[in-house]
Amino acid sequence: EPEVTQTPSHQVTQMGQEVILRCVPISNHLYFYWYRQILGQKVEFLVSFYNNEISEKSEIFDDQFSVERPDGSNFTLKIRSTKLEDSAMYFCASSPSEGRTEAFFGQGTRLTVV
Amino acid sequence: GENVEQHPSTLSVQEGDSAVIKCTYSDSASNYFPWYKQELGKRPQLIIDIRSNVGEKKDQRIAVTLNKTAKHFSLHITETQPEDSAVYFCAASFGNEKLTFGTGTRLTIIP
Repeated sequence: EPEVTQTPSHQVTQMGQEVILRCVPISNHLYFYWYRQILGQKVEFLVSFYNNEISEKSEIFDDQFSVERPDGSNFTLKIRSTKLEDSAMYFCASSPSEGRTEAFFGQGTRLTVV
Repeated sequence: GENVEQHPSTLSVQEGDSAVIKCTYSDSASNYFPWYKQELGKRPQLIIDIRSNVGEKKDQRIAVTLNKTAKHFSLHITETQPEDSAVYFCAASFGNEKLTFGTGTRLTIIP
């Protein structure tokens, strides 16, 4: 069964450093998302991406964050200058098409900022 | 924006009994309501979903009901088993827009 895959599974970075989290959505899916989950809390929406542009972003997704789909398969989340409070599990998700709204999640990248 | 509330936050159920988790949503435009199961350290896994044009959906031991008028939906798990122990999240969205998640219910099945 096709899966959303994310790399790395765990990333430790120093405060102020840039990180790039990578995702390969399920092929032929059209909608892509990033969510984050602080330990023990609910899943929070960061950004959605469709037709090569951001369709919606949350207040969490400030100027430190950016997303890219550099080629036909990868979808990346960049955090320019990490803060301690960016420590969380980051999930990528994708949905098939308009009218098919199921979102399938990747296994996540645990980001630890020290 | 959408706000989803979920109750209870923790639930312990004897193996074989039923478990019910309830969610309410605020945005009447929301038309898609999935439920996710998340085991410790793992990804949320979609277990069942319902769209606003139906009131109930069942898949083996799992069922979801939706009351659009009251803006609430519930997850029902019957004949619970130890492997049902996990955190369950409800969510709501409109079309392919973002999912707004509830705060989660930690379900523990007591053998």
